[in-house]
Amino acid sequence: EPEVTQTPSHQVTQMGQEVILRCVPISNHLYFYWYRQILGQKVEFLVSFYNNEISEKSEIFDDQFSVERPDGSNFTLKIRSTKLEDSAMYFCASSESGRTGNTIYFGEGSWLTVV
Amino acid sequence: QKEVEQNSGPLSVPEGAIASLNCTYSDRGSQSFFWYRQYSGKSPELIMFIYSNGDKEDGRFTAQLNKASQYVSLLIRDSQPSDSATYLCAVPRFIGFGNEKLTFGTGTRLTIIP
Repeated sequence: EPEVTQTPSHQVTQMGQEVILRCVPISNHLYFYWYRQILGQKVEFLVSFYNNEISEKSEIFDDQFSVERPDGSNFTLKIRSTKLEDSAMYFCASSESGRTGNTIYFGEGSWLTVV
Repeated sequence: QKEVEQNSGPLSVPEGAIASLNCTYSDRGSQSFFWYRQYSGKSPELIMFIYSNGDKEDGRFTAQLNKASQYVSLLIRDSQPSDSATYLCAVPRFIGFGNEKLTFGTGTRLTIIP
């Protein structure tokens, strides 16, 4: 079964450093997302991306965050200057279409620990 | 009021019994609902999707939707130890460009006791 793959699975970084989380969505999917889950809390939407641009972002997704689809397969989340509160599991997701009922597939996640 | 509310649990159910998980939502305009299962340290995995009032069955899982009461539930029959996980209720919201984002509840932690 096709799957969303993410790298790295775990990254430890110092506060203030830049981090790039990488994702390879399912190949025929057109909609891409990043969600995050702080330990013990709920899964939260960060951003959605369609047709090479951001279609929606949450209030969490401030100026220190950016997303990019640098080529035909990768989808990245960059955090420019990490803060302690950015420590979380970041999930990349993709879907074939945005229609109701269309399954959103999640990657296995990237644990980010900011120290 | 939170958009999607679930009891955090933990909910303990004996093996072989029926586990019942509940979710309420605040937006009367919500049309569809997802149930995801999340094992500790893992990503959400879709179990069920429902958009019509009533019941939808898939194997040991039954989703129930009552739009008048703004209530959706998940029943797991013949519970197995492998069902021990956190169950997340999620409501999609249209955000334009034919796209939706999911709003998750905090999840209910279910433990099946052998």
